[in-house]
Amino acid sequence: DIVMTQSPDSLAVSLGERATINCMSSQSVLYSSSNKNQLAWYQQKPGQPPKLLIYWASTRESGVPDRFSGSGSGTDFTLTISSLQAEDVAVYYCQQYYSTPRTFGQGTKVEIK
Amino acid sequence: EVQLVESGGDLVQPGGSLRLSCAASGFTFSSYWMTWVRQAPGKGLEWVANMRQDGGEKHSVDSVKGRFTISRDNAKNSLYLQMNSLRAEDTAVYYCVRGVTYFDYWGQGTLVTVSS
Repeated sequence: DIVMTQSPDSLAVSLGERATINCMSSQSVLYSSSNKNQLAWYQQKPGQPPKLLIYWASTRESGVPDRFSGSGSGTDFTLTISSLQAEDVAVYYCQQYYSTPRTFGQGTKVEIK
Repeated sequence: EVQLVESGGDLVQPGGSLRLSCAASGFTFSSYWMTWVRQAPGKGLEWVANMRQDGGEKHSVDSVKGRFTISRDNAKNSLYLQMNSLRAEDTAVYYCVRGVTYFDYWGQGTLVTVSS
């Protein structure tokens, strides 16, 4: 199974500042035939199901604000919130879909400083 | 509007059984792989099982193999998860999710509690 490891486990960022979350996979999730990274990011607010933010490592889902961006390739990925808003307080998860079982990172909790 | 509505969660004793259902609407159910994902209280997300559009291919995580069975009825736009030999560690909110790669729509979840 591919192990997904996020860092940090939690972070506190001031409103309007940048938040950066890292995700590392235990093996590459770059699918060579398509040259696409099989990596997604989700946001989960308290009491709600997760919401898809990013897929193919860097493609924003429709309706997701452009302050959210994804980057990286192979085994190292980053989710960046360029200017943190109050409504961005949540837990963020990365997920690989390179192989079965699909696996998620342990989550990163983002709070306001 | 895509909707996924789970039901069937309950308090059950260890060793017991439960069948979860997911009613889908707002999209062509028979065109999509479907997946179950669970989340233990205060914990992260765990992929449980998925099934191909025609039901001809399915996969599950090792921890539920031989105990949980995923199925679907395309005529009823419904996904199911039959859970047998339940353990305390199966306690979680179970989400019905659309997709096989990334998951673009999630239900609100149904809570399964395994306890004596």
